[in-house]
Amino acid sequence: GAVVSQHPSWVICKSGTSVKIECRSLDFQATTMFWYRQFPKQSLMLMATSNEGSKATYEQGVEKDKFLINHASLTLSTLTVTSAHPEDSSFYICSAGSGTGASPLHFGNGTRLTVT
Amino acid sequence: GQNIDQPTEMTATEGAIVQINCTYQTSGFNGLFWYQQHAGEAPTFLSYNVLDGLEEKGRFSSFLSRSKGYSYLLLKELQMKDSASYLCAVRDSNYQLIWGAGTKLIIKP
Repeated sequence: GAVVSQHPSWVICKSGTSVKIECRSLDFQATTMFWYRQFPKQSLMLMATSNEGSKATYEQGVEKDKFLINHASLTLSTLTVTSAHPEDSSFYICSAGSGTGASPLHFGNGTRLTVT
Repeated sequence: GQNIDQPTEMTATEGAIVQINCTYQTSGFNGLFWYQQHAGEAPTFLSYNVLDGLEEKGRFSSFLSRSKGYSYLLLKELQMKDSASYLCAVRDSNYQLIWGAGTKLIIKP
């Protein structure tokens, strides 16, 4: 149980275009979803926290107009990288939690974004 | 500020035992998690500790001492597939997950 599906697994796009990444909780309702970015050989960096039906909370230094997050339902959150640049190339990972306490975060398989 | 420290890299031999330490300083504490992450993949959940003591799960065990702000992940009977990064994460008083930088574990035959 507790499966998180992330799509696409990898994407190559041209500089200036936008890319949408989807994150779905398949067998549970995710009240909160988290979006992370990870550069090679570095740890996870939290970008934003999204709660269903409300605006996402962005971490300091993350541009909310560039990284658009929508959490329209309890099973789906999307991250759109707008006007992508080569420096946005990274591994983007979503995770979802069904609550607090002992429930761990469940991660999607990640999306490898390459901007050329 | 909030901080989680773990060694950057460790090397161990196949079949042996290795202990990966994690120390933390956070605003409150609502549990500590260990995750395994293979290169190019997303993290997978290994263990959760919220009370002091040892939690055992097969070849993996995790220990917590809240008074010392300390945890360790113990891996026994190491296998080559255990080569990965191991991430320590603490949930603070706001239920935010604070992540360590991860420990890269290299297993040699």
